[in-house]
Amino acid sequence: QPALTQPASVSGSPGQSINISCSGTSSDIGAYKYVSWYQQNPGKAPELLIYEVTKRPSGISYRFSGSKSVNTASLTISGLQPEDEADYYCSSYTKSRTFVFGTGTKVTAL
Amino acid sequence: QVQVVESGGGVVQPGRSLRLSCAASGFIFSSYGMHWVRQAPGKGLEWVAVISYDGSEKYYADSVRGRFTISRDDSKSTVYLQMNSLRVEDTAVYHCARDLYGFSSDYWGQGTLVSVSS
Repeated sequence: QPALTQPASVSGSPGQSINISCSGTSSDIGAYKYVSWYQQNPGKAPELLIYEVTKRPSGISYRFSGSKSVNTASLTISGLQPEDEADYYCSSYTKSRTFVFGTGTKVTAL
Repeated sequence: QVQVVESGGGVVQPGRSLRLSCAASGFIFSSYGMHWVRQAPGKGLEWVAVISYDGSEKYYADSVRGRFTISRDDSKSTVYLQMNSLRVEDTAVYHCARDLYGFSSDYWGQGTLVSVSS
């Protein structure tokens, strides 16, 4: 199962909104509403930001939102803050009953 | 609070075996599926395996199927990853994570490092 495709890096000025795309196929993203997004800081465990495309776990800022169209999912970070600098990964359930992660995106606040 | 703590990593030669453990606490372990996810040094996340809450269903990534086995012991609130026929490319930090509604992972451990080298 090939990894989902994400841009290697995305940057924005503090206060701006940025979008991270996650491109898959009809066998993963396009097949289900089971896309998740994770934030990972250096040397730390990943943290769940979004599950089931749009849902936020308790304690996750409203500035993080998710969406999906056909075979592509997106994570939007509104009002970018310096502490948002991290690596971000998407993930999807697949028709093979397995999971696949994205290639990862490094977010920089300029 | 919910905690998952991995152990069992180390340096091992290619072709050898290793068993990782993940001890969970702070929740009803027998009600949750569990995942293993790995991350090679400087690389991205790679999903490895999942076991259902009752152990009846297990699924694996193509890269480890036939070599790795996931299992659980609810009496010890522990999930295991038995890794056989290890390869250099299996070198990674291995995280365990609690499953959320069958399609996501909400609590992750810090991971345990497995280094496969001759």
